[in-house]
Amino acid sequence: GAVVSQHPSWVICKSGTSVKIECRSLDFQATTMFWYRQFPKQSLMLMATSNEGSKATYEQGVEKDKFLINHASLTLSTLTVTSAHPEDSSFYICSARPGVHNEQFFGPGTRLTVL
Amino acid sequence: ILNVEQSPQSLHVQEGDSTNFTCSFPSSNFYALHWYRWETAKSPEALFVMTLNGDEKKKGRISATLNTKEGYSYLYIKGSQPEDSATYLCALRTSYDKVIFGPGTSLSVIP
Repeated sequence: GAVVSQHPSWVICKSGTSVKIECRSLDFQATTMFWYRQFPKQSLMLMATSNEGSKATYEQGVEKDKFLINHASLTLSTLTVTSAHPEDSSFYICSARPGVHNEQFFGPGTRLTVL
Repeated sequence: ILNVEQSPQSLHVQEGDSTNFTCSFPSSNFYALHWYRWETAKSPEALFVMTLNGDEKKKGRISATLNTKEGYSYLYIKGSQPEDSATYLCALRTSYDKVIFGPGTSLSVIP
């Protein structure tokens, strides 16, 4: 149980295009989902927290107009990187938390490369 | 800025050896501490959630201890096996929704 999927697992796009990454909880309902970013040899950095049906809460320094997060249902959250540039190239990983459970369950991540 | 540190950054051990790594965190912002195991191309897998000072948890050959007063947690692996090779992440939870990850310890177990 507690499986989270992410799609796509990797994506290469041209500078200026937008990329959407999906995060799905497959066998549970996730009231809260989290989006993280990881630069090479660094920690996972929390970008934003989203609760189903409400606006995401972004961490300091994360541009909400650049990284659009939608948590439209209890099993799906999307992260859209708008007008992507090479500096947005990174590893993006989501996690989902069921209800008031203490644990987050992670997806396998998405490797984004912007040319 | 809160910082979670892990040491060592990486280590290589022989199969059968026991090993341990450290997670250090600011003790003033403690809500819970999580340990994850992250194999390449897979999702991070939760190992332990620790909340109380002095907590000691065990899962098979892996165990963890917690000292919230001095701000550290140890992860121990007894009799390392090649399948234990992974990156071990600790994460400090400072509130219900705020989690700060350490950079991880990369373990390679040599058969």
